[in-house]
Amino acid sequence: QVQLVESGGGVVQPGRSVRLSCTASGFSFASRGMHWVRQAPGRGLEWVAAIWFDGRKKEYASSMQGRFTISRDNSKKTLYLEMNNLGTEDTAVYYCARDYSSGYPAFFFDYWGQGTRVAVSS
Amino acid sequence: DIQMTQSPSTLSASVGDRVTVTCRASQNIDVWLAWYQQKPGKTPKLLIYKASSLGSGVPSRFSGSGSGTDFTLTISSLQAVDFATYYCQQYSANPWTFGQGTVVEIK
Repeated sequence: QVQLVESGGGVVQPGRSVRLSCTASGFSFASRGMHWVRQAPGRGLEWVAAIWFDGRKKEYASSMQGRFTISRDNSKKTLYLEMNNLGTEDTAVYYCARDYSSGYPAFFFDYWGQGTRVAVSS
Repeated sequence: DIQMTQSPSTLSASVGDRVTVTCRASQNIDVWLAWYQQKPGKTPKLLIYKASSLGSGVPSRFSGSGSGTDFTLTISSLQAVDFATYYCQQYSANPWTFGQGTVVEIK
């Protein structure tokens, strides 16, 4: 079955960086676009970034552009999110999510990981 | 950015009730709308995509309708397992945005 397992979260000081990972299993990782979606405490869902199945194209929410970098290693079936210059507003649970479509992304999500919590605090 | 507005924010209902949640987009998104269910401490689950297509394994008591700017999620007969928060999401244009959520709680 499809599994997505995030790691790398924790408590981070403002202005510092952190890299999240998401390891996939149970499907052809190299054929699916992937996304990061976050959820601040007690808040709704916010799409963060997307990467095409082959890694050639990436898209970001405007508030993350320039600070966050999404990447993937298809040989390791792993998705990454590098987050720099973190602020308290970045405190959230970060989910990796699989795009519904094979090949060109559909930009909605059929499987989600359990999430990894990032708390930005001094 | 396309703004997604859900109503109501909270809905109190009883088992067996017919429940309707509304989602309005700030501009035309055709049928590019998905609905998700999220239970406390759990990951979101895809219910509906392309406004009215049922996700894999989703019970037939869930249905979606609408196009353009106005959309509806209906639960024909609310079950105990359906008490959760429901989100709509548009995938017509980047950034892919969600509604603020509707909490369906026990009356």
